[in-house]
Amino acid sequence: KQEVTQIPAALSVPEGENLVLNCSFTDSAIYNLQWFRQDPGKGLTSLLLIQSSQREQTSGRLNASLDKSSGRSTLYIAASQPGDSATYLCAVLPWGYQKVTFGTGTKLQVIP
Amino acid sequence: NAGVTQTPKFQVLKTGQSMTLQCAQDMNHNSMYWYRQDPGMGLRLIYYSASEGTTDKGEVPNGYNVSRLNKREFSLRLESAAPSQTSVYFCASSEASQGVGQPQHFGDGTRLSIL
Repeated sequence: KQEVTQIPAALSVPEGENLVLNCSFTDSAIYNLQWFRQDPGKGLTSLLLIQSSQREQTSGRLNASLDKSSGRSTLYIAASQPGDSATYLCAVLPWGYQKVTFGTGTKLQVIP
Repeated sequence: NAGVTQTPKFQVLKTGQSMTLQCAQDMNHNSMYWYRQDPGMGLRLIYYSASEGTTDKGEVPNGYNVSRLNKREFSLRLESAAPSQTSVYFCASSEASQGVGQPQHFGDGTRLSIL
């Protein structure tokens, strides 16, 4: 059974700092890995999708990497802003027709 | 561009009442999903529909039923609500008939309280 862990559960950083969020998974037989952002009381907004054949994806100040062999993905946020404050979730999308497994998220607070 | 639309956004029920949560997507996706999100538990799959006309159980299906009405709509029904079903419910859709493995698009959720 796939298990997805996100550590730390919460993170508080000053504005302008570069930061890394971690996502670990136990089964490397994945198809895609997706990073989401969730604001309080809202749904999940997709940030980046990394296919298993890729090692990283970039969108603006965000860069996500994937290392299947070590069972890890990282989300790098450059020059953090207060508007980046949210909970960040990773989701492992497997081969074949199996369910997606979500991590429990990292709650990020960027302090002005 | 609406994406995935869920109704209602909020609902309070008494124990034993029934209700149906509605979900519709306008992206012509084949696959649709219902999740519940609880503090400390993350997102858990209740039911999914790989394509129109098919539904399958997820991780936590007990107490729920679903209907894939057509390609656009996927509803979740609580026949006899229990306090343990207090949660935030999310509907999602994805592109391919192989469903899982393709990026998921989420609605804004339904916040359900059972008293």
